[in-house]
Amino acid sequence: GQSLEQPSEVTAVEGAIVQINCTYQTSGFYGLSWYQQHDGGAPTFLSYNALDGLEETGRFSSFLSRSDSYGYLLLQELQMKDSASYFCAYSTPLVFGKGTRLSVIA
Amino acid sequence: KAGVTQTPRYLIKTRGQQVTLSCSPISGHRSVSWYQQTPGQGLQFLFEYFSETQRNKGNFPGRFSGRQFSNSRSEMNVSTLELGDSALYLCASSLSHPYNSPLHFGNGTRLTVT
Repeated sequence: GQSLEQPSEVTAVEGAIVQINCTYQTSGFYGLSWYQQHDGGAPTFLSYNALDGLEETGRFSSFLSRSDSYGYLLLQELQMKDSASYFCAYSTPLVFGKGTRLSVIA
Repeated sequence: KAGVTQTPRYLIKTRGQQVTLSCSPISGHRSVSWYQQTPGQGLQFLFEYFSETQRNKGNFPGRFSGRQFSNSRSEMNVSTLELGDSALYLCASSLSHPYNSPLHFGNGTRLTVT
């Protein structure tokens, strides 16, 4: 079957770095995507890793290790506006994890 | 470029009724996917359409159906509504395959079944 596991909640301090992990189990793999969703808003695309390694986009980076069936989203220089839910997703059609709620505190 | 538009934004229906939700994708996007979002369950895949053909279907009962028109606009229909169908229904469009072409989501239709 297919499944993704990610922590349900993470709390971090403004200005710090936080890592949100995602492990997956699937028979067919087409890369790992990350989406952000603020309360009351629509999910928005953050990044996509098709191959192993690190992809960097500003303060956000995403990492994938296909041999370990594992990826993570790294958020640096945390800001209050980063408080949101973060979802990893994979496969086709796109299957989402249950999301990690990130709370950034002062 | 206009984003993904979903109508209506809110709906209140009674058990046993049926409902139709509408989605207009970003111009040029041919893939439209539908998701159900409930607290604690995340986003659950309903179906995906590409060029008027259902390309993939999630694990939902047959009461949930959809279609896509030649202009890529899509509708989903839920018949014989149940209380458990109360959720946020999200539509997303992409240029091609959603796994490597970012999904662009609409703001959703919040359905409440009483």
